Amino acid sequence: GAVVSQHPSRVICKSGTSVKIECRSLDFQATTMFWYRQFPKQSLMLMATSNEGSKATYEQGVEKDKFLINHASLTLSTLTVTSAHPEDSSFYICSVTQAAMNTEAFFGQGTRLTVV
Amino acid sequence: DAKTTQPTSMDCAEGRAANLPCNHSTISGNEYVYWYRQIHSQGPQYIIHGLKNNETNEMASLIITEDRKSSTLILPHATLRDTAVYYCIDRNTGNQFYFGTGTSLTVIP
Repeated sequence: GAVVSQHPSRVICKSGTSVKIECRSLDFQATTMFWYRQFPKQSLMLMATSNEGSKATYEQGVEKDKFLINHASLTLSTLTVTSAHPEDSSFYICSVTQAAMNTEAFFGQGTRLTVV
Repeated sequence: DAKTTQPTSMDCAEGRAANLPCNHSTISGNEYVYWYRQIHSQGPQYIIHGLKNNETNEMASLIITEDRKSSTLILPHATLRDTAVYYCIDRNTGNQFYFGTGTSLTVIP
């Protein structure tokens, strides 16, 4: 069964509006979750590491005021794309993992965001 | 940043073994090698991982060289459903998974 639930799977929004994407860990409490973005025909790019109860750690070049991350509980992290523009249209994927180095990361099914 | 390199694409005949190589020459002693695959418009699917010993599960086998600078993922009997992009990932001590460009595997009937 699914370990990670991501919602919504698809969303279309107007330019200038904000969109929230949820990522839920179903099987275990995740102190850390990760957010990725993937453009067509490209690989997954890590955007940020979401830490429960503290601020997210953003990768270089990712605007933290643009992509707001909230990890308020051990099973839920949200990514809000603020003031979305067409260039933000992408496939957004979250993942969860446990701390041990020999445990795999589980990925959500992704959210296809289209900004019109 | 990703620290692995893989061929961009490969073909494999259906029913044959698919051997996907990966170089991870800068891997540290306690970092595991993970393999995932991604079918179009889905989240990545875990395949296998290893540290230094060869590993096998119901999906694949992982062969890691003795110096740990490279590995090969083996799909023993490729099917059309194995057509996907395969990613080899060197998991760092910060627990992040940085994806490289991956190998696009096409299984041919």
